[in-house]
Amino acid sequence: GAVVSQHPSRVICKSGTSVKIECRSLDFQATTMFWYRQFPKKSLMLMATSNEGSKATYEQGVEKDKFLINHASLTLSTLTVTSAHPEDSSFYICSWRTGANYGYTFGSGTRLTVV
Amino acid sequence: DAKTTQPTSMDCAEGRAANLPCNHSTISGNEYVYWYRQIHSQGPQYIIHGLKNNETNEMASLIITEDRKSSTLILPHATLRDTAVYYCIVSPSSNTGKLIFGQGTTLQVKP
Repeated sequence: GAVVSQHPSRVICKSGTSVKIECRSLDFQATTMFWYRQFPKKSLMLMATSNEGSKATYEQGVEKDKFLINHASLTLSTLTVTSAHPEDSSFYICSWRTGANYGYTFGSGTRLTVV
Repeated sequence: DAKTTQPTSMDCAEGRAANLPCNHSTISGNEYVYWYRQIHSQGPQYIIHGLKNNETNEMASLIITEDRKSSTLILPHATLRDTAVYYCIVSPSSNTGKLIFGQGTTLQVKP
């Protein structure tokens, strides 16, 4: 149980365009989910916490207008990187809070490259 | 959130037990100890978690000291596919508890 689907796995976009990353829970429903980013050879950095039907809470230093989070249902959340720049190139990972048995389940990640 | 301290890297011979330590001396009473691992270019994979009792599942065992200030993840028979970065994280058990990752331990399993 506790399967998360994240798409796309890889995306290349031009500077100034926007990219949407989708994260779905396939066999469970959850209220709370999280978005992380990870630079090469670095640990995961929490970007924001999102609760279904509410505005996301962003970590210090993360621009909410640049990283738009839509969490409209208990099984789907999206992260849109707006007006992407090369420095936004990173590995983005979503995670759902799944409760006592599994704690948190992560997506497989999205490798974003901005050229 | 409580911080954790892990060795940067460890080696283990294939087939032997891998024992990965973690210090979490400032852990609070309501915080669980979680272990995840990340194989290159993949999302983190859940391994095990516990509050104060030792835990065992099909992947690993978690040994938590009585004072809860440290723990050890044990992979009983390491294989080459266990090579990964292992993260020890403490987090409240509430629904809004978030996982803050440290630098983790890079475990290299060698033939």
